Amino acid sequence: DIQVTQSPSTLSASVGDRVTITCRASQSIGTWLAWYQQKPGKAPKLLIYRASTLESGVPSRFSGSGSGTEFTLTISSLQPDDFATYYCQQCRTYPWTFGQGTKVEIK
Amino acid sequence: EVQLVESGGGLVQPGGSLRLSCAASGFTFSSYSMNWVRQAPGKGLQWVSYIIGSSFTVYYADSVRGRFTISRDNAKNSLYLQMNSLRDEDTAVYYCARASGNYQEFDYWGQGTPVTVSS
Repeated sequence: DIQVTQSPSTLSASVGDRVTITCRASQSIGTWLAWYQQKPGKAPKLLIYRASTLESGVPSRFSGSGSGTEFTLTISSLQPDDFATYYCQQCRTYPWTFGQGTKVEIK
Repeated sequence: EVQLVESGGGLVQPGGSLRLSCAASGFTFSSYSMNWVRQAPGKGLQWVSYIIGSSFTVYYADSVRGRFTISRDNAKNSLYLQMNSLRDEDTAVYYCARASGNYQEFDYWGQGTPVTVSS
C-alpha cells in the first residue's frame, strides 16, 4: 500500500498569513494527488486534484504543487473561513489512502 | 445539482449487522464509480470500499474485507454498504463519495451517517 504522510499535524496561523502544508507519498504517484478541506461536523470538500488543478469554485488563494513523492498545499493569504483540517489523498492506486490531516488553527 | 444522501446508520451491538444506503441525484449515477469513506471519532479519513459503475469491479480495505459488501442499484440511483460482524473499531461516520471521471479524486460527498458499535 502507498503510505501518505502529512506535516505538520497542527499549524497555528493568523489571518493574512501564507500557509504551506506538505504531503509525502511512500512511492511515486506522479500527480495523482488530491487535497480536501474539512470543517467540524461537515463532509470533506475537494479543493485540488491532479496535484495542482483547482476545483471549480475554490478560491484562487489555494494552490497545489509537486509530483512524484512530495507535494504542497499553499494558502497565499489565510482567511477566517480557512480555519479547518486539510487532508491529502493519493488517487494513483487502490487502496486509496489519506494523510493523517493538518489542523489549521487560529494563532 | 449533485446530491448524495446517506441513511441507515445507528447503534448496533458487536457482531451485529447494518446496511447503509446512499441516494444519488443530479448526475448520471451509472457513469460514475462510487466509494465509502469513514471517519472514526476525532480521527482522520479512511477509505473503505469502491465500486465501478457497472458493479463489475469492487475493492475493499483490508480492515473490512470479508465483512462488508458494497453494491449499487443503478435503476434506483443508490449505493449500499452491507456491514456484517461489526466491531467496536467500525464506529465512525460513514460517507459516500463520488469518484470523478478524471483522476479518481472524490469530487462530491454526502453528509455522512453515524454508525456506533457498542454493547
